[in-house]
Parts: sequence; C-alpha cells; structure tokens
Amino acid sequence: QQQVKQSPQSLIVQKGGIPIINCAYENTAFDYFPWYQQFPGKGPALLIAIRPDVSEKKEGRFTISFNKSAKQFSLHIMDSQPGDSATYFCAAGGTGKLIFGQGTTLQVKP
Amino acid sequence: KAGVTQTPRYLIKTRGQQVTLSCSPISGHRSVSWYQQTPGQGLQFLFEYFSETQRNKGNFPGRFSGRQFSNSRSEMNVSTLELGDSALYLCASSEPDRGGEKLFFGSGTQLSVL
Repeated sequence: QQQVKQSPQSLIVQKGGIPIINCAYENTAFDYFPWYQQFPGKGPALLIAIRPDVSEKKEGRFTISFNKSAKQFSLHIMDSQPGDSATYFCAAGGTGKLIFGQGTTLQVKP
Repeated sequence: KAGVTQTPRYLIKTRGQQVTLSCSPISGHRSVSWYQQTPGQGLQFLFEYFSETQRNKGNFPGRFSGRQFSNSRSEMNVSTLELGDSALYLCASSEPDRGGEKLFFGSGTQLSVL
C-alpha cells in the first residue's frame, strides 16, 4: 500500500513537445502529491504539488492532472525546452513522509 | 536564505566502518527528513525529525539512525557499513509543521562503500 508507480522510465521529445509522466498510488490516506525535478549532481527541487480536492493545477508550463477515483496523477510539461531535460519524480504522502516514484529521465531535443 | 547544506559532499568508506553525515536545514525550518537515493531503488524515506524527536521512520534496519539538535541541525549515522549502503544520501527540510510537505533538498552526500 506504500508504493508509487511511475511511468515511463525514460522519455525523449522534441523541443515544443508536451511530455506526459504518469503516476499511480495505492494508499488512499495520501493527501499530498508533489512533483520534483532533479538535475545531475543536485538534490530534487519541488516543481508543483496538488491536493486531492482539486483535479488540475497549473504553474507556468507545468500542469498536474489528478484523478482521485483512479488513484492516478500526471505531469504535463507544455512547450518543453532543452533546459527541461532532467529526472522527474512524483511522490505521494502527507505530514512527515513522502513516498517517491522511481523517476523518469526526460530528454528534450533541440 | 541559504539552502540546505549537507557535509561532506563525498565520502569513501570500507565495509564494517561507520559513518556520520551532517545536515543544516534552511533557517527557520524545524522538520528534517533523510532519504537514500540509488539507481535501482530510487528515493527511499529513512526518517524524519521534528523538534529533536523522530516523528516518522522508514523501513531501514537499525544500523541507520539519526538525531536532531536544538538548532534543527541533523546528523545521520550508519554503522557496520555494507556494500549495498553505497548511495546518495539526501537531507531535506521543510517549513514549521509542514512535515513531509514542500521539501527543500540539499545536494546530498555521495557515500561509496568499498
């Protein structure tokens, strides 16, 4: 019940494309769903997060879609840029603890 | 504000030794969490401290321990190191009473066990 499954493992898109990364969770007690971006040699950095009382949240070019009944959420990156090339992690949890997905390595080609 | 600072940045140890990693959270943050990152297992939660008390714990053996000081700085200790402990150890802090939410990560300590 503690797993968060993330797909795909890797993704290659052209500049301007819209990569989509999906995650599924099991524990219905989770009430916080963030996405983190990690560049080589750095720690993960919070991109955007959502709570289960809304179905979509946008911040700049990043959008989270959330489906509570399916226990799934996804990250969409609009107008992707080569600088977006990084590893993306979804996570789920609440106070004091986050369970992370396995990560998706995104490459945006110029 | 300065970010989360972890020291040392790199560490090489041999099997059987013990190691202590240090983390200084963002000023004002009282919650500090530790995560282990490996290529195979991803990011795995170790434990979380809030106001010097361990509030949450992951599924790691007792060789992994931590503590938090009154200034919110935290240390993580691994005793009797095994080859499988080679990983990037990440510390994260969060705002007062936010716990696992809105984590700010340090750059990590890369531990190699030979």
